[in-house]
Amino acid sequence: DTEVTQTPKHLVMGMTNKKSLKCEQHMGHRAMYWYKQKAKKPPELMFVYSYEKLSINESVPSRFSPECPNSSLLNLHLHALQPEDSALYLCASSQVIRTTHNYGYTFGSGTRLTVV
Amino acid sequence: DAKTTQPNSMESNEEEPVHLPCNHSTISGTDYIHWYRQLPSQGPEYVIHGLTSNVNNRMASLAIAEDRKSSTLILHRATLRDAAVYYCILRDVSSGGSNYKLTFGKGTLLTVNP
Repeated sequence: DTEVTQTPKHLVMGMTNKKSLKCEQHMGHRAMYWYKQKAKKPPELMFVYSYEKLSINESVPSRFSPECPNSSLLNLHLHALQPEDSALYLCASSQVIRTTHNYGYTFGSGTRLTVV
Repeated sequence: DAKTTQPNSMESNEEEPVHLPCNHSTISGTDYIHWYRQLPSQGPEYVIHGLTSNVNNRMASLAIAEDRKSSTLILHRATLRDAAVYYCILRDVSSGGSNYKLTFGKGTLLTVNP
């Protein structure tokens, strides 16, 4: 299995809703990432997990709450979002760089989120 | 992070070679050069990476200048499926939390004409 699977593919939520995005990989990667991508812009890093621990939070608002329950699963919990949070949310995974090798990231196809 | 500069867009004809340039004049000795591409409605896809020597794989070739201040991604025969945004990214592999950051620039939108 060489894929990162994201669910759902599309999500529409109201500003008072709570929802979660899910990301799963079975490649044995111990680093996992959330990116946000607005239309016609490059992906922007939000969070990095390494060995199931949060290692980087790029000053993301607290209405986005990541969770890494195990080495294969990454969630992004959403609460009280704003319309400007509408975007494509991408999950990725990679080997943790602690060797002489330098591994590429594997990305999922993303969840297209619309906040109404 | 060291930055990269790419043309905003390029056009190519199908079955012709494509050379996508990237300038990275502030590259450090521990920066690997990565290329990713993003097809429409998909997540980015790893293409190739290198440090000093030219690299080949089934998708593309990477030519790195001797001073490492620029590189070129080469698609040997462009197909319509190669139409995508191509990102050139520097990734520092020295110790520290920034190891885990893959920071995307604006990339080059490649259009392939039939």
